[in-house]
Amino acid sequence: GEDVEQSLFLSVREGDSSVINCTYTDSSSTYLYWYKQEPGAGLQLLTYIFSNMDMKQDQRLTVLLNKKDKHLSLRIADTQTGDSAIYFCAVSFYNQGGKLIFGQGTELSVKP
Amino acid sequence: DGGITQSPKYLFRKEGQNVTLSCEQNLNHDAMYWYRQDPGQGLRLIYYSQIVNDFQKGDIAEGYSVSREKKESFPLTVTSAQKNPTAFYLCASSIAWHRSLLMNTEAFFGQGTRLTVV
Repeated sequence: GEDVEQSLFLSVREGDSSVINCTYTDSSSTYLYWYKQEPGAGLQLLTYIFSNMDMKQDQRLTVLLNKKDKHLSLRIADTQTGDSAIYFCAVSFYNQGGKLIFGQGTELSVKP
Repeated sequence: DGGITQSPKYLFRKEGQNVTLSCEQNLNHDAMYWYRQDPGQGLRLIYYSQIVNDFQKGDIAEGYSVSREKKESFPLTVTSAQKNPTAFYLCASSIAWHRSLLMNTEAFFGQGTRLTVV
């Protein structure tokens, strides 16, 4: 099936930028999403990008998409302790009828 | 306000019992999903439904059952056949994929139910 992969952990210092990466195997991606999960809670949508775009910026968040390499990243500028959470990338694939496929999640730890 | 509600937030089950987790949405979404989350394993799809009275197995359906009698509701039963039911369960909803493959099928999530077997 279609795989979506992320590294499991990332640690940064407060004020630095964080970059969370995601790779996928199927080239029929349509929409690509980043979700945030705080402890004991559900997932909240942070941002998304349509596959015909290569960049989207929303305040401190920048999404970069390299469709050729099937690589998606989320950059968080000026990372704060409140950004500590698990971040999931999710991709909808045309070949899968639009069903969302989630990565394993990256646990971001922000140290003061 | 529109949203998706899961209840209860915490649930304890004795060995050999069935339990039912509730999921209700008022977003007018056709599609609903159940995921299981274990530490370090991300989200695994249990069951999904794209329309009332129809549902399909996901990747880990064994030991679970669902029903979709109303558009707003998609309850999940964890049966005694599920060998390792302790986990965090998440329900989500979205527009149905079949409406248009190029539409944004962003999923909206509930706050989760933590099930513990005692």
